[in-house]
Order: sequence, then C-alpha cells, then structure tokens
Amino acid sequence: RKEVEQDPGPFNVPEGATVAFNCTYSNSASQSFFWYRQDCRKEPKLLMSVYSSGNEDGRFTAQLNRASQYISLLIRDSKLSDSATYLCVVNELDDMRFGAGTRLTVKP
Amino acid sequence: DTAVSQTPKYLVTQMGNDKSIKCEQNLGHDTMYWYKQDSKKFLKIMFSYNNKELIINETVPNRFSPKSPDKAHLNLHINSLELGDSAVYFCASSFRDSLEAFFGQGTRLTVV
Repeated sequence: RKEVEQDPGPFNVPEGATVAFNCTYSNSASQSFFWYRQDCRKEPKLLMSVYSSGNEDGRFTAQLNRASQYISLLIRDSKLSDSATYLCVVNELDDMRFGAGTRLTVKP
Repeated sequence: DTAVSQTPKYLVTQMGNDKSIKCEQNLGHDTMYWYKQDSKKFLKIMFSYNNKELIINETVPNRFSPKSPDKAHLNLHINSLELGDSAVYFCASSFRDSLEAFFGQGTRLTVV
C-alpha cells in the first residue's frame, strides 16, 4: 500500500466549476499536511497547509480528517490558471512524503 | 534572489559517467532534501540533511552520494550513471520544525 495515495485524474472541468481532490495516508503518526501545486516542467510550490480545523484561502479550502486519515482540497470557481498537478504531502517529523499528484485541467 | 537554486538545469550524459548536481539555498534553512521525479511524475525523497547530518537515506543505490559542505549547500554526486537514472532531480530546503519546503527549479538528467 502506498503511503500517500491520490486519484491521479486527470480532472477536466469547465471554468467556474467546483472540483475536489482527496488524499489518503497510511501513517497515523503523521504530523503535518500540505497541498503543493506543480505546473508542467516546474518545481512544486506550496499551495497551503492543512489544519485539523480546516482552512480556507480564497477559492481554496483544505480539510483534514485524522480519524479517517484523509485530506481534501476544494477549489471553487475554477480558473484557467488553476490547471496544474496538485500534490498531497504528508509529513512524519523529518520525512516528507508526496502523493503521485492529481492533474487538473480547467477548460474555457 | 533565487531562494533555492540548483545547477545545471539540464544534463545529458552517457552511461557510465560520473556527474554532480549542485544545490544552494539562501533561506537560512537547516534541512535540505533531494527528490527524484520519474517519468510517471512521482516525487520520491532520496536524501535529507539536517545540520550537516544525514537523517534520511532512502533505499537508493550507493552510486548516489549527497555531499554537504555547509548548511546552505547539498550537492548530489552520481557515479556510473545508468539509463534508469534519467529523471528530474529536485533539491529542496526547509526549517526542520516548519517542514514547509521550498524547491529548486529541478535538474533534468538524461542518460543516453
């Protein structure tokens, strides 16, 4: 079983759509959680951290469910510029584990 | 100023050669990492250095050796390159407690 699992997609959605990604992790001792964004042929960049209480940053909402060991990312009112691969990252002290990424394409 | 910089950006080399990729960060971070992203786009950690001590060493071949001359640098040396080593290698850094990592632009290695 992979340590961090994501639906690879691709997700193809029209502009303005709401799209949600889920991620599950296997290690219950994981301490911190993030969503990263990676554009084609670019480096991953932090999108947002994920807190137990849930957190929102503009059109993006991240949630963590420790009991079920999953993390979600919701994107509202999708823009063309949201097209990218979204990586779920789970941290165990000094060890950052990446999911394989979910590819999103937003179309006009 | 680039926060995490790695060189070269592209590297094409023949099987059997030895090559190095350099990484430098100017963020004052205490932990640096090397990741490999293969053709399936899966990012896998290779090494992690904290205060010049190796704290993670994934099951990578011993042809790969990280070298950290100081806290701001973590270079990756690869001996006897193989076709399967072709990938994009990313350097990253963070504060150990924060773990929000900043990545370099990547080095696309092609072994022919």
